[in-house]
Amino acid sequence: DAKTTQPTSMDCAEGRAANLPCNHSTISGNEYVYWYRQIHSQGPQYIIHGLKNNETNEMASLIITEDRKSSTLILPHATLRDTAVYYCIVTPAGNKLTFGGGTRVLVKP
Amino acid sequence: NAGVMQNPRHLVRRRGQEARLRCSPMKGHSHVYWYRQLPEEGLKFMVYLQKENIIDESGMPKERFSAEFPKEGPSILRIQQVVRGDSAAYFCASSPSRGGNTEAFFGQGTRLTVV
Repeated sequence: DAKTTQPTSMDCAEGRAANLPCNHSTISGNEYVYWYRQIHSQGPQYIIHGLKNNETNEMASLIITEDRKSSTLILPHATLRDTAVYYCIVTPAGNKLTFGGGTRVLVKP
Repeated sequence: NAGVMQNPRHLVRRRGQEARLRCSPMKGHSHVYWYRQLPEEGLKFMVYLQKENIIDESGMPKERFSAEFPKEGPSILRIQQVVRGDSAAYFCASSPSRGGNTEAFFGQGTRLTVV
């Protein structure tokens, strides 16, 4: 699976958009970009995933660059409950997920 | 549609005892993944199973750990002769199939404490 690089931590203001970057310069053509988050030691929660097109659901938007070497997860209106560790994972669809260190996001009032 | 169910949520075992962790996947899901999270550490893949088959066990310790996913019933992660270092949160995830545009959903985990 391709390696991903994420910032260790970031803060964002409640009510503002949170933009979480992820670099995956060695991504292969059959690998998807998945985003999960883990809130305070709960089970990881699926957020969104995509192959090459931008994706949006009720939780977030995923923007993938045209060369697919990086992506950004956007939480449109961050709330205090979005405080969590966010994981960007690149893997073929249906394959096991390999979690890195993720980005520790703190949403501040 | 209930999510992935894990039980027990908390399990305390004395050193040398056996621990059995159960995972019931979401309805219609035939693939199960087990992960371990040591205190203050990240999630580590352990094993990937399909009904009655182990697909990938590259993350399983060579001794004392085993996993199964029978045709009927939940997936079981079994740890024999537990040691203090086995204390961790164990999460399972399920997905409907391998390949294709699918995502995996996680349970809330079993927290194993070895005393």
